Amino acid sequence: DAGVTQSPTHLIKTRGQQVTLRCSPISGHKSVSWYQQVLGQGPQFIFQYYEKEERGRGNFPDRFSARQFPNYSSELNVNALLLGDSALYLCASSRDYGYTFGSGTRLTVV
Amino acid sequence: KQEVTQIPAALSVPEGENLVLNCSFTDSAIYNLQWFRQDPGKGLTSLLLIQSSQREQTSGRLNASLDKSSGRSTLYIAASQPGDSATYLCAVGQETSGSRLTFGEGTQLTVNP
Repeated sequence: DAGVTQSPTHLIKTRGQQVTLRCSPISGHKSVSWYQQVLGQGPQFIFQYYEKEERGRGNFPDRFSARQFPNYSSELNVNALLLGDSALYLCASSRDYGYTFGSGTRLTVV
Repeated sequence: KQEVTQIPAALSVPEGENLVLNCSFTDSAIYNLQWFRQDPGKGLTSLLLIQSSQREQTSGRLNASLDKSSGRSTLYIAASQPGDSATYLCAVGQETSGSRLTFGEGTQLTVNP
């Protein structure tokens, strides 16, 4: 079984630009969550989707949005990028309980 | 609001030592608790998952315990090896907020040969 796959692995964007990050969950997992991890800190919850419905949203501005597709893959979009959005973005999938994380997308905003 | 604290923030030990990493949480109404390992610049690798009804879980040289009433979990690593060097993260899943995880800031472990 393939694990959680995220793309791209690394990304460099300029302030004000928009970015889309992608995640494919483990086969059979219907829940996908997104986390932001700033260097030296623990991951912070951004969104959770289950069966294409938003189930939870963390304390992030409206510049952050996400969606889940019929095949349970997901995209995270961030508009009007700020320097402070530079972080490792992690996707996790779950079936019953417990989470499996992907390797993340390293976003650098310059 | 759930808060998770991990102590110590960093730990350096000689190879072969047994060690304990601590995790505390403020709201005992948790669904489960999960320990992860993170290598520099990488994603999270799940080590152990403890359901709220369980007291401990074991995998190889790792043992994690959970005391919900006191809001504490410990990760015990036996006979540490240089390959154990990584950051260890504790995360709790809440009953009230669905399945989101609240993470601590991690313990950075260095095992010296």
